[in-house]
Amino acid sequence: DQQVKQNSPSLSVQEGRISILNCDYTNSMFDYFLWYKKYPAEGPTFLISISSIKDKNEDGRFTVFLNKSAKHLSLHIVPSQPGDSAVYFCAASVLNTPLVFGKGTRLSVIA
Amino acid sequence: GAGVSQTPSNKVTEKGKYVELRCDPISGHTALYWYRQSLGQGPEFLIYFQGTGAADDSGLPNDRFFAVRPEGSVSTLKIQRTERGDSAVYLCASSLGGPDTQYFGPGTRLTVL
Repeated sequence: DQQVKQNSPSLSVQEGRISILNCDYTNSMFDYFLWYKKYPAEGPTFLISISSIKDKNEDGRFTVFLNKSAKHLSLHIVPSQPGDSAVYFCAASVLNTPLVFGKGTRLSVIA
Repeated sequence: GAGVSQTPSNKVTEKGKYVELRCDPISGHTALYWYRQSLGQGPEFLIYFQGTGAADDSGLPNDRFFAVRPEGSVSTLKIQRTERGDSAVYLCASSLGGPDTQYFGPGTRLTVL
């Protein structure tokens, strides 16, 4: 049973437009959420995180939104750049327990 | 500063052989995690160390898998009697501990023929 779901395996966006990546979770005990970006042959790179006491966190072009009642998380990238093309993983944890990851969404930003 | 490093980057072995995968965490990070990523999947948790002790090994798939971190820094993941299904990318991550960001190494790609 997948506790963290990324239902879109891929997403294609034009350069300069907004990319929205979505993530749903089932475990209401999750209190810390993260997004990682992964290029081929590299490990996941931390992008941005949010704790369950917040509903929004922003870092430059990246914003994460958390809707606890819907158990839904989204990552907004604006404006999207070709270098953003990668696989994006949503992850969640309870206190300091190990992360539970989604299957990832492959983002392609087209110039 | 230096990030998490993992060696080897690639390992090809034959079914039934023993392998060791090494992880060097970020200096000062007390927590160390091992994950496994199969094709088309997200990383899946294997084992977590806080200091020298395994705080949670619930993700180890069976008793062929074992990990150590004897001095609270470098960790080794050991797989006995490898099977073709063990083929995956093995990722290591470290953090300061607690609900803190985990930083990943580049992974070791294990191929069991």
